[in-house]
Amino acid sequence: NAGVTQTPKFQVLKTGQSMTLQCAQDMNHEYMSWYRQDPGMGLRLIHYSVGAGITDQGEVPNGYNVSRSTTEDFPLRLLSAAPSQTSVYFCASSYPTLGGRGYEQFFGPGTRLTVL
Amino acid sequence: RKEVEQDPGPFNVPEGATVAFNCTYSNSASQSFFWYRQDCRKEPKLLMSVYSSGNEDGRFTAQLNRASQYISLLIRDSKLSDSATYLCVVMDTGFQKLVFGTGTRLLVSP
Repeated sequence: NAGVTQTPKFQVLKTGQSMTLQCAQDMNHEYMSWYRQDPGMGLRLIHYSVGAGITDQGEVPNGYNVSRSTTEDFPLRLLSAAPSQTSVYFCASSYPTLGGRGYEQFFGPGTRLTVL
Repeated sequence: RKEVEQDPGPFNVPEGATVAFNCTYSNSASQSFFWYRQDCRKEPKLLMSVYSSGNEDGRFTAQLNRASQYISLLIRDSKLSDSATYLCVVMDTGFQKLVFGTGTRLLVSP
């Protein structure tokens, strides 16, 4: 199993450009989420999905769109990049039910995004 | 007030030392509690869940005090490989929405 994969690893954008961060998981997890991590802020939830075709907003959704057409993929779209979106983005997936270690979320390796 | 508060550290300890981290959370309805570990420039990984009765995993012991809304992590016999940032994480009701503390950095030196 590859687990949770994210592409690209690094990206530099200019203000106003759009792009899509890719996330895929091969563990057949129903739940998937996107977080951003900023210094001094902790990880914050952007959007999440409880299954294919179902998405909802998290704590900081403005400027981002998501869709979930398959169980495996959960892309995050930046509509018009702004310097405030400079951050490290993590995708995560999990089962909806309690497992042996509790409700464990598995994170991808992250995408480091800089918006100039 | 932040939902989950942690001392950012860093905690500098020698190998073999015992070190404890504390964390407080503000939402009394929070359901589940965790400690995640994050190495520099890597993704967070679950270290252990925290149960009301307290739980232990090798050198790591986690405690939860719901009345005081307080979570702790104790690391015994610290190893160099324990150097990392430890994230206190609380799961709110409904969807598995995780609320993260900003993390406590641990540096274990020879």
